[in-house]
Amino acid sequence: DVKVTQSSRYLVKRTGEKVFLECVQDMDHENMFWYRQDPGLGLRLIYFSYDVKMKEKGDIPEGYSVSREKKERFSLILESASTNQTSMYLCASSSPQGSTEAFFGQGTRLTVV
Amino acid sequence: AQRVTQPEKLLSVFKGAPVELKCNYSYSGSPELFWYVQYSRQRLQLLLRHISRESIKGFTADLNKGETSFHLKKPFAQEEDSAMYYCAPNTNAGKSTFGDGTTLTVKP
Repeated sequence: DVKVTQSSRYLVKRTGEKVFLECVQDMDHENMFWYRQDPGLGLRLIYFSYDVKMKEKGDIPEGYSVSREKKERFSLILESASTNQTSMYLCASSSPQGSTEAFFGQGTRLTVV
Repeated sequence: AQRVTQPEKLLSVFKGAPVELKCNYSYSGSPELFWYVQYSRQRLQLLLRHISRESIKGFTADLNKGETSFHLKKPFAQEEDSAMYYCAPNTNAGKSTFGDGTTLTVKP
């Protein structure tokens, strides 16, 4: 069974903290993505990576950075958390060839207080 | 610019009624099109893709290149179909753009 696993289901952090969200996939996928999901706004792409150490900004990268040191792991970093970053964060992976469907993690509900 | 429009944020039908979730896209090239579904307390998952032309859980989706639409249809909705549905064209070697989503509620 294919798996995308996010390290935390729920997180509560204080304003100004540095926050790390971790994601691991076991499908040997080249592509990995971070989205945030907000009611009425759908899924918005924050960053994606198409290879180790490669990254591209998505639609809403401000306030975020990412790290991909290994193929299976993609980390989202909030440099200084703010209350407007309270959201559900979804990690996904996909292959660039063949079936390109995205496989999603279970999500991390982040609350910044 | 690549864009996906799901015009209905909320859609409510009675059990047994037909349902259609609309999706229009604006994309260069020939995207691969997907519908994803998220049931309550479950992760987002693939429902169906246009290239397979299959019916999944009674749902079908027809790609209309002329109208650039990929509407999702089911002739007889069931209560277990209540979920959030996302349309997602996929190009650029695996990168998806998601619509805002439609929350479907099927009432008994």
